Amino acid sequence: AQSVTQLDSHVSVSEGTPVLLRCNYSSSYSPSLFWYVQHPNKGLQLLLKYTSAATLVKGINGFEAEFKKSETSFHLTKPSAHMSDAAEYFCVVSDLLNQGGKLIFGQGTELSVKP
Amino acid sequence: GAGVSQSPRYKVAKRGQDVALRCDPISGHVSLFWYQQALGQGPEFLTYFQNEAQLDKSGLPSDRFFAERPEGSVSTLKIQRTQQEDSAVYLCASSLPRLVMAGELFFGEGSRLTVL
Repeated sequence: AQSVTQLDSHVSVSEGTPVLLRCNYSSSYSPSLFWYVQHPNKGLQLLLKYTSAATLVKGINGFEAEFKKSETSFHLTKPSAHMSDAAEYFCVVSDLLNQGGKLIFGQGTELSVKP
Repeated sequence: GAGVSQSPRYKVAKRGQDVALRCDPISGHVSLFWYQQALGQGPEFLTYFQNEAQLDKSGLPSDRFFAERPEGSVSTLKIQRTQQEDSAVYLCASSLPRLVMAGELFFGEGSRLTVL
């Protein structure tokens, strides 16, 4: 069975400082991993995806994530936080071969950005 | 509009009432998903349609939950005899099959259901 665990329910950073949102996955197969972002009163939006190509994946708004098989991790990072980055972030896994694209979401990490 | 549209955005129901939640997907998107997001939790899969065919309903929590997409476009999620544990945000997402396989779904803003 596929699952993801987000290690922090809430992360607070100051504007201009780095962001690290942690995610560990469990998968019987080579996983497809994603990060989605949910801004208040907005629909979920795909931030970036890993599908067994390059292990360092770049997404929108300066975010990137690194797939580390040895650590079963897919942490999301950004060098410098902006106020507009404040949102809920979800780490997501999909077993595309066996679940037809069904996405399995983590519990979410709320990112706060202080001025 | 260009995005996925859900209505109503907010619904308050008394325990035991039936509710219907509507989803208008992006035009041309044959794939349609329903997810349930409880407070403080990540979305959980309910059901999936390709055109009018319901290919997976394994996530529906009980037989009180029913979803349909009769003409392969608009979808309705119906909850009968609502219970307090049904209180959640119900998310609809649509996509194209090739984008589904790449994990890219387009989500609506959700319908927030509160059962008193």
